[in-house]
Amino acid sequence: GDSVTQMEGPVTLSEEAFLTINCTYTATGYPSLFWYVQYPGEGLQLLLKATKADDKGSNKGFEATYRKETTSFHLEKGSVQVSDSAVYFCALSDLIEGAQKLVFGQGTRLTINP
Amino acid sequence: DTAVSQTPKYLVTQMGNDKSIKCEQNLGHDTMYWYKQDSKKFLKIMFSYNNKELIINETVPNRFSPKSPDKAHLNLHINSLELGDSAVYFCASSRTGDRRNYGYTFGSGTRLTVV
Repeated sequence: GDSVTQMEGPVTLSEEAFLTINCTYTATGYPSLFWYVQYPGEGLQLLLKATKADDKGSNKGFEATYRKETTSFHLEKGSVQVSDSAVYFCALSDLIEGAQKLVFGQGTRLTINP
Repeated sequence: DTAVSQTPKYLVTQMGNDKSIKCEQNLGHDTMYWYKQDSKKFLKIMFSYNNKELIINETVPNRFSPKSPDKAHLNLHINSLELGDSAVYFCASSRTGDRRNYGYTFGSGTRLTVV
């Protein structure tokens, strides 16, 4: 079935470091791909999305490119800030068993130190 | 404010009790969901309703019963609560046809603690 695998956390970086959080997926259809972010004590917010191969989603300095050939959607940011500390979820939306479902990866906790 | 709102935000209760969590969205979406987030932050879908009709029912104990009085509301009732039900429950909504483009809008979660 459809699934999403993210790199194991936690990830700890210094401010202004380069960030990559790896995400790969398995899907039988043609999924849309998303990154959600969960700040401490809050719900999930959509960070960025891509709906077809080679699309690049971007928001708040974060980017991810939909790579069909490698079934990946890695999240990157050139210079992280302390305020980026959160849990990041990669997800896919696909028609599974006749219903549209959003399937999440296990989440990656990111901590940015000043 | 346009949003998905859940109540209560925190719920502490004893084993064996029955409790309900309410969810409302004013986004005009026609599909609503309940997700469960366990202690390791893993998110799994429980239920999905489209225009008040159940369309997704994952392997969830019968003690969990969703109810959708209209397409703007999806409540979750839990009978005979167990310790393992402790988790954060998220409500979400989406619009048919928009899901591929916009994903889902989530509420802020209800942290349920069973003691």
